[in-house]
Amino acid sequence: GQNIDQPTEMTATEGAIVQINCTYQTSGFNGLFWYQQHAGEAPTFLSYNVLDGLEEKGRFSSFLSRSKGYSYLLLKELQMKDSASYLCAVMDSNYQLIWGAGTKLIIKP
Amino acid sequence: GAVVSQHPSWVICKSGTSVKIECRSLDFQATTMFWYRQFPKQSLMLMATSNEGSKATYEQGVEKDKFLINHASLTLSTLTVTSAHPEDSSFYICSARKRDTEAFFGQGTRLTVV
Repeated sequence: GQNIDQPTEMTATEGAIVQINCTYQTSGFNGLFWYQQHAGEAPTFLSYNVLDGLEEKGRFSSFLSRSKGYSYLLLKELQMKDSASYLCAVMDSNYQLIWGAGTKLIIKP
Repeated sequence: GAVVSQHPSWVICKSGTSVKIECRSLDFQATTMFWYRQFPKQSLMLMATSNEGSKATYEQGVEKDKFLINHASLTLSTLTVTSAHPEDSSFYICSARKRDTEAFFGQGTRLTVV
């Protein structure tokens, strides 16, 4: 079966760094996505990794290891507005997106 | 990024009536559109996948006669919730994808059936 695992909830302090992990087992791989979703809103695209390594985009970075079926999203200089759910999704061999359940990130002052 | 517009953003309807939700890709041609449903505090659940000009592929457990999907053009897909009931109240989200690229999401539609 296809499976995406990520922690249910994480707590971090404003100004700090947090790493949200995602492990996956899917039938084929055509890329991994990270989305941010604030409560009551649609998800917004953060990053797309298809090759191994780290992709940096401002305060957010995303890492992928295809051999380990593993990715993480790194958020630096945390701000209160970063409180949201972060969704990991993998595109399988049929170009379908397989979603993780999301990680709720709570930022404390 | 590409823009996907979903309309309406919220709707309240009476039980037994039908509601149509539109999803448009404004600046690109979407070869594939996805419709998701999300209940509070739960992950996105894929309802169906539609490719332009062909019938939608529904996920297991999704009633195709209740959730009618039409993808008539490369920029427009519609989801019609027929004979809506209170248990259909949810957040419905569409996403559109150009060939082999990431998917872009609409703003979502909050449906409340009373």
